[in-house]
Amino acid sequence: SQQGEEDPQALSIQEGENATMNCSYKTSINNLQWYRQNSGRGLVHLILIRSNEREKHSGRLRVTLDTSKKSSSLLITASRAADTASYFCAFILTGGGNKLTFGTGTQLKVEL
Amino acid sequence: DAGITQSPRHKVTETGTPVTLRCHQTENHRYMYWYRQDPGHGLRLIHYSYGVKDTDKGEVSDGYSVSRSKTEDFLLTLESATSSQTSVYFCATAGLGQDTGELFFGEGSRLTVL
Repeated sequence: SQQGEEDPQALSIQEGENATMNCSYKTSINNLQWYRQNSGRGLVHLILIRSNEREKHSGRLRVTLDTSKKSSSLLITASRAADTASYFCAFILTGGGNKLTFGTGTQLKVEL
Repeated sequence: DAGITQSPRHKVTETGTPVTLRCHQTENHRYMYWYRQDPGHGLRLIHYSYGVKDTDKGEVSDGYSVSRSKTEDFLLTLESATSSQTSVYFCATAGLGQDTGELFFGEGSRLTVL
């Protein structure tokens, strides 16, 4: 069964705009990570937020985590065409050992 | 970039044949994982390893086996491939375990079972 879902499934914006992607999960987690995947490539780690953190920044990325709502969001500010990719949230379920569960992903397209 | 190499990168095979995918890493990472990626499902964990000869099942392990005889190599075997195993397979590694750090991914192996 899918433990995590993301919305929207697809997002198309203009360069310079902000992009927001949301991730929801079903049970308690230890931490949550975001990954990026360019077409035909492997995933690349973007950022990790722990269950006791509410917000984290890295460059143009801002991640929030609301454990009471079991949700996280990834904000990319001032998007660029090079940000076009699929974005996945991933998390360790509490008691899940070292197994990372992935969400279904959001396909972001940034147009010039 | 982490040194993770998957082979073969592309393979077409017929139903019922055995298939082995190889993941080789040069990072001396303890943890290694095999995921499959299918449209609408994201990535799903097949098997993982937390050390040489130490492996465990993931979410979708039926029909797959793994072996890890050396730190650097993690093999995924489909004993008798089926069309439902057509997918893109990703190997990933982690030095400290997923709870404390990131995963590093290979470029994927696209398998088509006819």
